Amino acid sequence: DAGVTQSPTHLIKTRGQQVTLRCSPKSGHDTVSWYQQALGQGPQFIFQYYEEEERQRGNFPDRFSGHQFPNYSSELNVNALWLGDSALYLCASSLAVRETQYFGPGTRLLVL
Amino acid sequence: DQQVKQNSPSLSVQEGRISILNCDYTNSMFDYFLWYKKYPAEGPTFLISISSIKDKNEDGRFTVFLNKSAKHLSLHIVPSQPGDSAVYFCAASKGQGGKLIFGQGTELSVKP
Repeated sequence: DAGVTQSPTHLIKTRGQQVTLRCSPKSGHDTVSWYQQALGQGPQFIFQYYEEEERQRGNFPDRFSGHQFPNYSSELNVNALWLGDSALYLCASSLAVRETQYFGPGTRLLVL
Repeated sequence: DQQVKQNSPSLSVQEGRISILNCDYTNSMFDYFLWYKKYPAEGPTFLISISSIKDKNEDGRFTVFLNKSAKHLSLHIVPSQPGDSAVYFCAASKGQGGKLIFGQGTELSVKP
């Protein structure tokens, strides 16, 4: 039973560029949440997708956008990258919006 | 405004002894609490959760206690093992499956 997978594992971009991160949820899960974890901090909620719609959003600017596909996989897009966007981006999946969230290994993004 | 706080950045315990990790929250609307363990270069791994209708939940060596009046929860690990060495995050949400608000984490070191 495959857990949550994310790609790529690492990514280096320069300021102003755009990036797309991908997530496949755990088998049977239909809800995907994205978090940003800066060094030495706890993960911070970006947004959550359920039934291909953004259900909840955290305190992140519109540069951060997402999408959920019919197979429940999801993408996180960040436009106009800043140095401060350098972080570990975590995807979590759950069954419906009433269950515990399980995390993937994350994508480490470095913005130069 | 940090709604979930872990005031101890680190904790060192001898193998076989009890590890107690603490977490405080400020938002009385939180009704579901979780603990995650994180190794370097991996995503957080779900450990144990508790609903606000309970004050204790056990799973093997792990027990979570919730004191709603004090807005405080703790994770007890008995007996502690060297493999428990990791960063532990507490998280809270309004309802299961909602956005998780994380603490800053406590790094546990279990010495042989």
